[in-house]
Order: sequence, then structure tokens, then C-alpha cells
Amino acid sequence: EDQVTQSPEALRLQEGESSSLNCSYTVSGLRGLFWYRQDPGKGPEFLFTLYSAGEEKEKERLKATLTKKESFLHITAPKPEDSATYLCAVQARGNTGKLIFGQGTTLQVKP
Amino acid sequence: SAVISQKPSRDICQRGTSLTIQCQVDSQVTMMFWYRQQPGQSLTLIATANQGSEATYESGFVIDKFPISRPNLTFSTLTVSNMSPEDSSIYLCSGWENGNTIYFGEGSWLTVV
Repeated sequence: EDQVTQSPEALRLQEGESSSLNCSYTVSGLRGLFWYRQDPGKGPEFLFTLYSAGEEKEKERLKATLTKKESFLHITAPKPEDSATYLCAVQARGNTGKLIFGQGTTLQVKP
Repeated sequence: SAVISQKPSRDICQRGTSLTIQCQVDSQVTMMFWYRQQPGQSLTLIATANQGSEATYESGFVIDKFPISRPNLTFSTLTVSNMSPEDSSIYLCSGWENGNTIYFGEGSWLTVV
């Protein structure tokens, strides 16, 4: 069964304190791994899609990496505005477009 | 990037009634989907909205409870029928653009009383 597990569930950082969020997955053939940011009361905002092991993508203070079993979302020198829930989802091979989501990591960055 | 609009954004509904949520995408997308996010939970796929034909439902979701239409490439509706308090959730529309990025709308927050 395809499954996604994110850790930690919650993370508190001081402004400027870098850290990483983990997304472990099992899927019957990976088509893509997606990272989203979700603010309270809003829909998920697309951040990255990774397709193969070794791939990396960056956007401002965020960098996503992918291995055959897990993905990391590295946050460098975070700011309070980075506070949100970060969701990881996998899409299996095939043309269904279906995403299987993890439970998310809620990040709080204190000034 | 595709922009996905949902209406209503929020509603309070009476037990036993039905509500239809509309989803409009500003560009043609390959596929459209409906997800549910229960309070404090992550997203679960309800169904794939197929253009001009019946939606494809995931295990645990049935057409009588969640009828879906998709009359064209940019518009879909989800109806939540005969609502109970357990249906209080965020309902999210998403679109798969050109086989690459999957975008989400802002969600429709339903509270059933």
C-alpha cells in the first residue's frame, strides 16, 4: 500500500535557525513527489515537484531533495513568515494524477 | 500556473441538506480532482472528475453521497448530500496541469449543524 509519513509533526525554530523536515514514502513506482505549504484557512500552495532520486530544487529559503525512500525539505535561516504546515505527497506511476498525502509538519518560527 | 477558484468559500449547513461546491480553473487542465480535509487531518482524495462522464470514486466514497459533474475542461461541481456533522470538512478542488504540477483551490469550509 502506498504510504507517506512526515516527521516531525510539529517543529519550533528560532528565526535564523536552519532545520529539515522529513518525508518518508513507500509507493509502487514513483511518478513524482510534491511539497506544498498550507497556511491556516487556505488551500495548499505548490512548492516543488521532484521526479527522481538525487534531484534537488530550491526556492528562496527552501530546498527539497529526494532519495529512493525519502525527501527532505531544508529550511535555511527561516523567518516568521515561513510558519505554516508543510505537506508532502506522492504520485504513483500511471496516469491517475492521484496524490497520497502525509499528515504534514507544522512549522512555527519565532522572531 | 493555473488559478483555481471555489465557491462558496465557507458555509454553515443544516443537517440533512445538500450543498453544491463549484470549482473553476482559469486554464484547461488534464484532470480535476476533489479532496477532503477533515479538521486537523491531511488531504484525502474523494474522486477524479472526468469530463463528460461519471467520476471515478476512491474507496469509501460513493456517488450518492458525493455526486460530481465536469461538463467541460475548466469547471466541476461537488455536491455533499444529506449532510451530517461528520461531513464538516474543507473540500478542495485541484487540477493537474499538462501532466506536471497539481494545483489546489483555496477550499470550501463546510460546517454542518
